[in-house]
Amino acid sequence: GAVVSQHPSWVICKSGTSVKIECRSLDFQATTMFWYRQFPKQSLMLMATSNEGSKATYEQGVEKDKFLINHASLTLSTLTVTSAHPEDSSFYICSAHISGEASGRSYNEQFFGPGTRLTVL
Amino acid sequence: RKEVEQDPGPFNVPEGATVAFNCTYSNSASQSFFWYRQDCRKEPKLLMSVYSSGNEDGRFTAQLNRASQYISLLIRDSKLSDSATYLCVVATTDSWGKFQFGAGTQVVVTP
Repeated sequence: GAVVSQHPSWVICKSGTSVKIECRSLDFQATTMFWYRQFPKQSLMLMATSNEGSKATYEQGVEKDKFLINHASLTLSTLTVTSAHPEDSSFYICSAHISGEASGRSYNEQFFGPGTRLTVL
Repeated sequence: RKEVEQDPGPFNVPEGATVAFNCTYSNSASQSFFWYRQDCRKEPKLLMSVYSSGNEDGRFTAQLNRASQYISLLIRDSKLSDSATYLCVVATTDSWGKFQFGAGTQVVVTP
């Protein structure tokens, strides 16, 4: 299957600093990437949809000025958590979206990166 | 009401047994359905897509019931390695790919 990488895999930072997370599709191009956040024992919550060459679309309740998303190329999207606080500590996961048709069947899949565990002290 | 609901479990299953669980969704316009598997502190991995006619992949069988708006997953001959959280995923807009995730059903296979 398609491979998506995320960097860094984990980060510990002080409160007030900014953290940048990269999401790359390694063997395919993705015009759309998604950013999720997952707290312990909870489901993945979609934060924003990142479209190459245009502004990201944020879900309700997600501050766009705090979570800056840049999708500069078809293989790279970045999420910057600005002025991080302890409540931002979470597991951040990106995914790359692929859709189309093959063998007479339409497909609509997301391939996930391995996630970034952020701890803000 | 959540868009996608799952029984959180855990389902404790003896090795070799069969386990099945459902997921309900609220949006009747949902078009794509998936089961993902998530291991502790890892990213979700696609287990299988769920087609209208139902589909089977080895020991795993998925069914879709549009009338009652639920999908199911059945695991036969459970292995210890099947222990994981199974996430139900529903997409309402086929071309855009925006997914709604359930909170997951935890399965624990015991020796």
